[in-house]
Amino acid sequence: DAGVTQSPTHLIKTRGQHVTLRCSPISGHKSVSWYQQVLGQGPQFIFQYYEKEERGRGNFPDRFSARQFPNYSSELNVNALLLGDSALYLCASSSGTGVDEQYFGPGTRLTVT
Amino acid sequence: GDSVTQMEGPVTLSEEAFLTINCTYTATGYPSLFWYVQYPGEGLQLLLKATKADDKGSNKGFEATYRKETTSFHLEKGSVQVSDSAVYFCALSARDDKIIFGKGTRLHILP
Repeated sequence: DAGVTQSPTHLIKTRGQHVTLRCSPISGHKSVSWYQQVLGQGPQFIFQYYEKEERGRGNFPDRFSARQFPNYSSELNVNALLLGDSALYLCASSSGTGVDEQYFGPGTRLTVT
Repeated sequence: GDSVTQMEGPVTLSEEAFLTINCTYTATGYPSLFWYVQYPGEGLQLLLKATKADDKGSNKGFEATYRKETTSFHLEKGSVQVSDSAVYFCALSARDDKIIFGKGTRLHILP
């Protein structure tokens, strides 16, 4: 079975631009969570979605938004990009809302110049 | 708020050495505890977990015991290999179902 997939793998954006990152969870998983991992740090929680509803939000500005589609895939959107948004963005899926069995994708490396 | 503190790296060991990476936590209630590993160029992989006090998680020769009295979850391995070189993250599940990670410990194993 395929694991969590994310696209694109890498991308480079300019300050002020907008970016959309995509995630496909493991088949049968209904929950998707997003994390930001700045170089040299641990991942920081951004959002959790379950059955297309937002279930949790981390301490990130409103420039960050997300949604989940009927097929349980998800998009993370970031507006008005800042240099500090440069990071590895990780998506994790699980069958329910609990975190005990979260499976992570390989991530999308975003560089803002 | 909930938090995880783990020893700073990098940690450099010779192959077959004994490994300990310290991790302590602060949390309200009784969180689940995890160790994740991130190999170069790859995403996070769950290495092991423990869901209640005195539970021992184990996988691939690694072990960690949930110690409520010392709020610790130290990672150990009796004999490390070059292939264990990676970044290790201690983490806990907060009450609102998000994972809180430590800053990570980079491990280098020399042949």
